[in-house]
Amino acid sequence: GAVVSQHPSRVICKSGTSVKIECRSLDFQATTMFWYRQFPKQSLMLMATSNEGSKATYEQGVEKDKFLINHASLTLSTLTVTSAHPEDSSFYICSARPRGENTGELFFGEGSRLTVL
Amino acid sequence: QKEVEQDPGPLSVPEGAIVSLNCTYSNSAFQYFMWYRQYSRKGPELLMYTYSSGNKEDGRFTAQVDKSSKYISLFIRDSQPSDSATYLCAMSGRTGGFKTIFGAGTRLFVKA
Repeated sequence: GAVVSQHPSRVICKSGTSVKIECRSLDFQATTMFWYRQFPKQSLMLMATSNEGSKATYEQGVEKDKFLINHASLTLSTLTVTSAHPEDSSFYICSARPRGENTGELFFGEGSRLTVL
Repeated sequence: QKEVEQDPGPLSVPEGAIVSLNCTYSNSAFQYFMWYRQYSRKGPELLMYTYSSGNKEDGRFTAQVDKSSKYISLFIRDSQPSDSATYLCAMSGRTGGFKTIFGAGTRLFVKA
């Protein structure tokens, strides 16, 4: 099956620093990747859609300057939380749609837990 | 009204019970229906994928789609404590560029 690797799985940082999270599709190419945020006991909240070679599309209410997304290749997208604050602490999950797949089927990474002190 | 409605639970059942998880939706353009399982502090894992109406079975899991009623179900037979997780329904269609819409997720507890 399709495998999506997300790294790091857990990160703790000081307030004001920036944190980068990587999402890689290991055995397939992904023209589209998605980034979500999930609070405890809540569902996935789509933050942005990342398209290879173009700018990300952000959902309403998500600050694009705060959450920088780069999708430089068909197998890698990165999310950088800039100048992180305690309220940015959350579980961030990426998903990827295989290239040429137009059914909405998605494969998820394992998630990254960010704690900002 | 949300596009996809799913009871968040929690749902608690004894080991061996048949579990029924459901979602309703409002967008008749949805054609692809998925169920994901998410363990605590992990990413969602694709369980079942169904196109259009009908049933699909995989081991102890059966997915049903009734497009006329805009209702989908996931049945788990002989439930096990290891099935305890959050189950998210998801769906997409040609309208909206196959954007995947998720339900809120139902938390399931299977008691030994």
